[in-house]
Amino acid sequence: SQKIEQNSEALNIQEGKTATLTCNYTNYSPAYLQWYRQDPGRGPVFLLLIRENEKEKRKERLKVTFDTTLKQSLFHITASQPADSATYLCALDPGYSSASKIIFGSGTRLSIRP
Amino acid sequence: DAGVIQSPRHEVTEMGQEVTLRCKPISGHNSLFWYRQTMMRGLELLIYFNNNVPIDDSGMPEDRFSAKMPNASFSTLKIQPSEPRDSAVYFCASSTLAGHRDTQYFGPGTRLTVL
Repeated sequence: SQKIEQNSEALNIQEGKTATLTCNYTNYSPAYLQWYRQDPGRGPVFLLLIRENEKEKRKERLKVTFDTTLKQSLFHITASQPADSATYLCALDPGYSSASKIIFGSGTRLSIRP
Repeated sequence: DAGVIQSPRHEVTEMGQEVTLRCKPISGHNSLFWYRQTMMRGLELLIYFNNNVPIDDSGMPEDRFSAKMPNASFSTLKIQPSEPRDSAVYFCASSTLAGHRDTQYFGPGTRLTVL
C-alpha cells in the first residue's frame, strides 16, 4: 500500500532563510500532490496542488517540486518569516480513475526563529 | 462566508456513551469529507460524500462509526458506543468537485476525549 514519509523531526530555520520540506512516497505516483498548512488547534489549510505532469509550481514565496522518478516532492518557503511557523502536510491523491483514496503524511513541524 | 462549521468544538464523554459530531459544509460545495487526526496515525480519511451520497466509507474503523448526510448543508458522524481509542480530533472538510482534486476546506475540528 502507499506510504508517505515526511521529515519526522521538527525543522528549525533562521528567519530569512529558505525552508525545504520533504515528502517521499513509496508506491505509485499520484495524479495530484497537495500541500497544506496546519496551525495548532486548527484545521489544515490548502496551499498548493501539483499534478504528476508538472515539475514545479510557485505561489508567492512558496515553491513545490514533484519528481516522479525519485517519488518525492519538495516544498520550499523562501525568505521565511516567523509567521510561517506551522505544521505542513503533504497529501497524495491518486486521481479520479483510481479506487484508492487521498492519504496524508504525518506532517513536518516548521519553526522560524527571528 | 463562514467556512465549514463543526460542533461541538470539544467533547468529553465516558466510554460506552454515544457521540454525535456535526458539520455544516460551505454553501455550494457538493463534496464532504470526515477525517480523524491522531499523533500516532496522522490525518485519516474516514468517509466522503458526493451530492449527499456516501462514496467511500472504507476508512470507517468499525461498525461503531456511522455517518449521514441528510441534505446538502448538514452531516453527522456518530460513534456508538464510544471507546477511549476513539479519542482524536475529527475534522470535516468540503470541496466543490466530486472527489479530492479540488481544494478541500477544513473546519476547525472537534476534539473528542473518551474517558
